[in-house]
Amino acid sequence: GENVEQHPSTLSVQEGDSAVIKCTYSDSASNYFPWYKQELGKGPQLIIDIRSNVGEKKDQRIAVTLNKTAKHFSLHITETQPEDSAVYFCAAFSSGSARQLTFGSGTQLTVLP
Amino acid sequence: NAGVTQTPKFQVLKTGQSMTLQCAQDMNHEYMSWYRQDPGMGLRLIHYSVGAGITDQGEVPNGYNVSRSTTEDFPLRLLSAAPSQTSVYFCASSYSGQLNQPQHFGDGTRLSIL
Repeated sequence: GENVEQHPSTLSVQEGDSAVIKCTYSDSASNYFPWYKQELGKGPQLIIDIRSNVGEKKDQRIAVTLNKTAKHFSLHITETQPEDSAVYFCAAFSSGSARQLTFGSGTQLTVLP
Repeated sequence: NAGVTQTPKFQVLKTGQSMTLQCAQDMNHEYMSWYRQDPGMGLRLIHYSVGAGITDQGEVPNGYNVSRSTTEDFPLRLLSAAPSQTSVYFCASSYSGQLNQPQHFGDGTRLSIL
């Protein structure tokens, strides 16, 4: 089945700096890659996603890049703000027999004021 | 616009007890699903539904039952609670064409089994 690895597990940045979180996946049949932000005591919130026919997608301060050959994708947050502090999860959707998301283990991002 | 609503927010059970976790969505989404989240891990799919009357198993279905009698509601039942079912449970929904690609999550039910 699909295996998704996420790094780093914790990340601290100064306010205004950029943050990058990286994920790798194993199943070449995976074709949808969402990113979720989870604040303490809340459910995950979909913040951006990308499909396998696209290499990069941007939405204001956040962007996701996908390298299908290397089977990795990354989340980029620019001009970080304290409210960006949260746990971020990547996931990969396999279009094979499983047809479900496999999640990474999460990255705790702390933006220091 | 409430989105996905889960009740209760917290629950403590004794081993062997049964209970139902409630989930309701007001977005007329076709697809609904249940996930569990354990410390240091991502979410894992328990059961999902593609519409009223149609459900299927996810990655970790043992010990749980679901049914879907309406588009809005998707309850999760624990038949005989076990300590291994201590977890945070999230309900999610997505619109047609996005099976098991959830757009909206509830805020979770934190369940402890003693």
